[in-house]
Amino acid sequence: EAQVTQNPRYLITVTGKKLTVTCSQNMNHEYMSWYRQDPGLGLRQIYYSMNVEVTDKGDVPEGYKVSRKEKRNFPLILESPSPNQTSLYFCASSLPPGLAGGLWQFFGPGTRLTVL
Amino acid sequence: DQQVKQNSPSLSVQEGRISILNCDYTNSMFDYFLWYKKYPAEGPTFLISISSIKDKNEDGRFTVFLNKSAKHLSLHIVPSQPGDSAVYFCACLQASKLTFGTGTRLQVTL
Repeated sequence: EAQVTQNPRYLITVTGKKLTVTCSQNMNHEYMSWYRQDPGLGLRQIYYSMNVEVTDKGDVPEGYKVSRKEKRNFPLILESPSPNQTSLYFCASSLPPGLAGGLWQFFGPGTRLTVL
Repeated sequence: DQQVKQNSPSLSVQEGRISILNCDYTNSMFDYFLWYKKYPAEGPTFLISISSIKDKNEDGRFTVFLNKSAKHLSLHIVPSQPGDSAVYFCACLQASKLTFGTGTRLQVTL
């Protein structure tokens, strides 16, 4: 089954404690991306990756890091989480955007993060 | 500055009637326009898209209209069904970046 998996699904942590949210896809997609969803703001792109070792900033990259060492994995790293990073996070993957199939971004189920 | 806006946070429609969801954007360089549907506790799922060179695309009960001069996008659902109740996001693609709107919660009532 084609899917994007995220772990953990729920996380409560404290300010300053480094954390990683993992994302993995089994569709051999080149493109992967992280979004956060906040009330009244919709989904905002944090980082995206066009392929292995190629990453770029989205609209709200501050406070986040990513890496793309393997095609299937795209972890999101919060080195020093703060309460304003409390949000619902989604990972997505697709063929390269611009190709017809690249519009069909597959989203993971989401990770709800609370930073106290 | 919000480049993509959905000015109606919510919409209630009777089953069988038409649902019209609207989206406005400011960037004339967007290449593709998409609609996603999101149920609670799930990730968004792709619904329908339209290229910037077209003005209409239809897929079953779903039709997307693009008015480039007005920088306006709309999604029509006919007929609306209770299972269509969800949050709908429009999204605009330029190169490799996808910019989402704020979402409209559609409630289809019996």
